[in-house]
Amino acid sequence: DTAVSQTPKYLVTQMGNDKSIKCEQNLGHDTMYWYKQDSKKFLKIMFSYNNKELIINETVPNRFSPKSPDKAHLNLHINSLELGDSAVYFCASSQDTGNSRETQYFGPGTRLLVL
Amino acid sequence: LAKTTQPISMDSYEGQEVNITCSHNNIATNDYITWYQQFPSQGPRFIIQGYKTKVTNEVASLFIPADRKSSTLSLPRVSLSDTAVYYCLVGSNDYKLSFGAGTTVTVRA
Repeated sequence: DTAVSQTPKYLVTQMGNDKSIKCEQNLGHDTMYWYKQDSKKFLKIMFSYNNKELIINETVPNRFSPKSPDKAHLNLHINSLELGDSAVYFCASSQDTGNSRETQYFGPGTRLLVL
Repeated sequence: LAKTTQPISMDSYEGQEVNITCSHNNIATNDYITWYQQFPSQGPRFIIQGYKTKVTNEVASLFIPADRKSSTLSLPRVSLSDTAVYYCLVGSNDYKLSFGAGTTVTVRA
């Protein structure tokens, strides 16, 4: 069983569209994250949720809206997609409070290409 | 949050030892040092973590000097499959882990 799964794996869309990426973890973890990785491999945190509560929103445009229906799911909705949104988006989870000692488990990534 | 600096890339050959040094001059007392490995087209995965001195596991060793302002990840006898991006993270009781750009290690035959 995959510990952290994301769908879709690839997403190609036009500028201005709205799209969603889904993430699920079956590890029983309390904290989930969304990261954006650009073409230079720079991996930057976007959001963090702990028990369905938003903990971190790292200067992300409000076109990005995370939703956590339960602590096993953290979805990412993006409105009015722009060319600069093209990147790989990773979902991750960790056991407890987001303490950096906690190991983060990453999903396989969603490769978003905005045309 | 302590900032980390690591080389952008390193090249090596199969069977050699690879050492990647990460600088974290502003590390706080409670901060731990963690390294992640990311293979192409995959998400990062945890490889090792330490606070001070030396930590070793089946994948790597982590050397941390007494002042903790830097750390060195050592990969013994690398193979082609060790080609990956290696990220150094420093942090403690917050959610704001910064992975940065990592070090791209390329192992050649």
